[in-house]
Amino acid sequence: ILNVEQSPQSLHVQEGDSTNFTCSFPSSNFYALHWYRWETAKSPEALFVMTLNGDEKKKGRISATLNTKEGYSYLYIKGSQPEDSATYLCAFSNYQLIWGAGTKLIIKP
Amino acid sequence: EAGVAQSPRYKIIEKRQSVAFWCNPISGHATLYWYQQILGQGPKLLIQFQNNGVVDDSQLPKDRFSAERLKGVDSTLKIQPAKLEDSAVYLCASSFGGGARGTGELFFGEGSRLTVL
Repeated sequence: ILNVEQSPQSLHVQEGDSTNFTCSFPSSNFYALHWYRWETAKSPEALFVMTLNGDEKKKGRISATLNTKEGYSYLYIKGSQPEDSATYLCAFSNYQLIWGAGTKLIIKP
Repeated sequence: EAGVAQSPRYKIIEKRQSVAFWCNPISGHATLYWYQQILGQGPKLLIQFQNNGVVDDSQLPKDRFSAERLKGVDSTLKIQPAKLEDSAVYLCASSFGGGARGTGELFFGEGSRLTVL
């Protein structure tokens, strides 16, 4: 059974601090790795879709790296702001998307 | 550009009752997905449509769940009869391409939260 693990499950971070979390996935038959942000009462929105080993993507204060050989991706948030509070989901594709359970990030003012 | 529309946002029913959820994807998106997201778990794919054909429904509990996408545009997901364990958020998503190899970005609706009492 293919499994996608995200850690930590939840995270409290002080406003202004930087943080990162992990998505682990099977290292075989890799096609893509997705990151989504899901704010309460809103729809999940895509942050990044990465397909190449060594990929690094950035959107504002958020960036992500990808290591397909060892099966992990990191998501970094620099200078956390209250609006970053959300659940961050990753999904691995070996043809179909398999989702992790998410990391719930809470920014403390 | 209008996003993915879903309704209703919230629904409370008693077990053994039926419920239907509706989704209208982004115009021009060929692929439509229905996911079930139970609290504390990742989204689970129930069914994937490519236009009005089914690509994957391997995890759809077909004894109680049904879905259709007539004319390859909007879609309806039905549960009949509902069980307590069906309490979840039902997410609809769409993507432009065929979703080949899972490399295309998904666009989600706000979800329909179902509570079964």
